[in-house]
Amino acid sequence: GDQVEQSPSALSLHEGTDSALRCNFTTTMRSVQWFRQNSRGSLISLFYLASGTKENGRLKSAFDSKERRYSTLHIRDAQLEDSGTYFCAAEGSNYQLIWGSGTKLIIKP
Amino acid sequence: NSKVIQTPRYLVKGQGQKAKMRCIPEKGHPVVFWYQQNKNNEFKFLINFQNQEVLQQIDMTEKRFSAECPSNSPCSLEIQSSEAGDSALYLCASSPGQGNTEVFFGKGTRLTVV
Repeated sequence: GDQVEQSPSALSLHEGTDSALRCNFTTTMRSVQWFRQNSRGSLISLFYLASGTKENGRLKSAFDSKERRYSTLHIRDAQLEDSGTYFCAAEGSNYQLIWGSGTKLIIKP
Repeated sequence: NSKVIQTPRYLVKGQGQKAKMRCIPEKGHPVVFWYQQNKNNEFKFLINFQNQEVLQQIDMTEKRFSAECPSNSPCSLEIQSSEAGDSALYLCASSPGQGNTEVFFGKGTRLTVV
């Protein structure tokens, strides 16, 4: 079935550095959402994209508009509060979300 | 910020007991989803509704869960007879439509079956 490959699985960065997460899709997807999950399990929606790019402060996300087979999330100037587990979730042909396996991000002072 | 409200936040049940959790979707959102996230961070789609109608559900949900979204009442998901493997975070989400729309999640109900 449809799958999402998310990388990296874990990332440890110092404050002030930049990073990029990526999700590859085994088939064309309708849209993609990026979430950050905190230690209590709350999923915070970062971006929803049906195409193109979106930017919010130090975060920027892109969804490949041609093939619709991958998406990226860039974090600029990482801060301690960016720590958490990041998930991408793509909407497949049956309207269900297909989830990546997550990226555990640790920001060190 | 999401306005989907899930209760309770934590639920502890013994094996064989019923486990019921509730969800109030965002106002004006007719589509409701339930997902299960296990300890390995894997998400599993369980069921979705449009208004009171079930749109899709997996086999496990049909056999072991009871779910509904009555009008003017919270949606609910109930495990009829809890098993240890049901211990997970149950996430409810709502959206303004089916397909090509953002999905908004509640904070989840963490179920522990002892």
